[in-house]
Amino acid sequence: GDSVTQMEGPVTLSEEAFLTINCTYTATGYPSLFWYVQYPGEGLQLLLKATKADDKGSNKGFEATYRKETTSFHLEKGSVQVSDSAVYFCALADSNYQLIWGAGTKLIIKP
Amino acid sequence: SAVISQKPSRDICQRGTSLTIQCQVDSQVTMMFWYRQQPGQSLTLIATANQGSEATYESGFVIDKFPISRPNLTFSTLTVSNMSPEDSSIYLCSVDGGSTEAFFGQGTRLTVV
Repeated sequence: GDSVTQMEGPVTLSEEAFLTINCTYTATGYPSLFWYVQYPGEGLQLLLKATKADDKGSNKGFEATYRKETTSFHLEKGSVQVSDSAVYFCALADSNYQLIWGAGTKLIIKP
Repeated sequence: SAVISQKPSRDICQRGTSLTIQCQVDSQVTMMFWYRQQPGQSLTLIATANQGSEATYESGFVIDKFPISRPNLTFSTLTVSNMSPEDSSIYLCSVDGGSTEAFFGQGTRLTVV
């Protein structure tokens, strides 16, 4: 079945460092891909999405490009801030529009 | 967009008791989803609730343990029955995932003692 694999955390970086959180997927067809973020004490919220190959989703300085050839959707940010500390989830929507989730990556940004 | 109010936000319950979690949406939605998020782990779908029909449960989850109601297009409840410490988790409701954005309640943090 469909699945999502993302890098294990926690990922600890200093402020203004470059961030990459890897996400790869296995799916039949052409799923939509998502990054969700869960800030401490808050609910999950959509960070960005891409619905077809080569689409780039972006929001709040974060970017991810839908790479069909490598079945990847890596999350990147050029300069992280302490306020980016959160848990990040990669997910795909399968052919039944059900969300399949990665395990989540905890990001810790130190000042 | 959709705004979801979920309550209670947290509870501490005795083993053997039941807890009902409520999820209220500010708009009518066809499908509502209930997830469990165990400490340090990803989200696991418990069931999908459509208005006017029985909920569809995922493998490993049964109606007797997690009965769900969906009386209308804006409201759903999930009951965690006969609780044990293994049921300690965060429970989340969500609406209309898929190719468009999924919206989540803030979750219910359940501790069973």
